[in-house]
Amino acid sequence: QKEVEQDPGPLSVPEGAIVSLNCTYSNSAFQYFMWYRQYSRKGPELLMYTYSSGNKEDGRFTAQVDKSSKYISLFIRDSQPSDSATYLCATPQLGAQKLVFGQGTRLTINP
Amino acid sequence: NAGVTQTPKFQVLKTGQSMTLQCAQDMNHEYMSWYRQDPGMGLRLIHYSVGAGITDQGEVPNGYNVSRSTTEDFPLRLLSAAPSQTSVYFCASSYSNQGGYIQYFGAGTRLSVL
Repeated sequence: QKEVEQDPGPLSVPEGAIVSLNCTYSNSAFQYFMWYRQYSRKGPELLMYTYSSGNKEDGRFTAQVDKSSKYISLFIRDSQPSDSATYLCATPQLGAQKLVFGQGTRLTINP
Repeated sequence: NAGVTQTPKFQVLKTGQSMTLQCAQDMNHEYMSWYRQDPGMGLRLIHYSVGAGITDQGEVPNGYNVSRSTTEDFPLRLLSAAPSQTSVYFCASSYSNQGGYIQYFGAGTRLSVL
């Protein structure tokens, strides 16, 4: 089992919809979770990070961690065509200074 | 503030050639990493460094060498390029925060090996 799993999509929704992007992780000791956004032919860009459980909100974006089910989510409200990108979840691998990434979900917001 | 700068942006090599991908960061971060990104495979860690003079292998280190003589620079060397090394390469630098690692990526180098 991979340490972090993410449905690669693709996911296509109309403009203005609420988008839900999800990842699962295998190790209950993971505490720190990140979401990166990657536009086509660009490097990943850190979008949000959360520590332990709960929600974190930043504008139209909300990151949520459910440690009981080992599930992390990113919600995008009032989605815009400019949100079209690949979204990657990540967490630091225990005992090592490196991140483990999900496969990435390709999102398209249709005008 | 440039962040993480990678050069070149594009490169075409012939099988057996060597080259160095350059990476520099101006954020004084201790940690730096190299990833490759291939369709359907996500980001895979090649090598990483926790400080000047200290490097370690990641998930896919074969065929690549690194060194870290300064905090700012972390070059990736391909000693004898192979077609399997055709990929997009990303360098990242990061700092530690509450047990996590906030990581910033460069724009990438697209490498084709013929």
